[in-house]
Amino acid sequence: KQEVTQIPAALSVPEGENLVLNCSFTDSAIYNLQWFRQDPGKGLTSLLLIQSSQREQTSGRLNASLDKSSGRSTLYIAASQPGDSATYLCAVTPYGGSQGNLIFGKGTKLSVKP
Amino acid sequence: NAGVTQTPKFQVLKTGQSMTLQCAQDMNHNSMYWYRQDPGMGLRLIYYSASEGTTDKGEVPNGYNVSRLNKREFSLRLESAAPSQTSVYFCASSPQNQFGRPQHFGDGTRLSIL
Repeated sequence: KQEVTQIPAALSVPEGENLVLNCSFTDSAIYNLQWFRQDPGKGLTSLLLIQSSQREQTSGRLNASLDKSSGRSTLYIAASQPGDSATYLCAVTPYGGSQGNLIFGKGTKLSVKP
Repeated sequence: NAGVTQTPKFQVLKTGQSMTLQCAQDMNHNSMYWYRQDPGMGLRLIYYSASEGTTDKGEVPNGYNVSRLNKREFSLRLESAAPSQTSVYFCASSPQNQFGRPQHFGDGTRLSIL
């Protein structure tokens, strides 16, 4: 059974610092991996989606990498800002699963201090 | 830009009561999903609808029913609410072939069962 783990569960950094969030998954048979952002009391916003054939995706200050063979992904946030404070979740779409059956990690709660 | 709209935003029920959570999307997406989010458990798929007229069970379907009313609307019904169903419920939608296209989430319904 596919399991997705995110470490650390919480992270606090000073503004301006570069940081890395980690995501690992137990089964490399995936179609893609997504990173989401969730603000308190809100739904999820998709940040980056990496296809299984890709190694990384970039959007602004965000860069996500995927190493499917080792079951790992990282989300790199450059020059962090207080507005980046949120919970970040990763999710995989497994092969053979029902369409849309994303398997989520429990998230990393990020706090960026001014 | 409405995107995915969920109603109500908050609800308190007594054990045994019934309720229907409503979801509508205006992006002309074929696929729609219902998730629940619990502390320490992450998001889990309850039911999904790959296209109008079809519904399928996800990871945690027991105690729920769904209706894909039309292409825009996908409702989730609790026939006899139980305290274990206290959770935050999210609806999401995506184009039919979601492998490579991110899901769009609503802001959630916070449901408490007393």
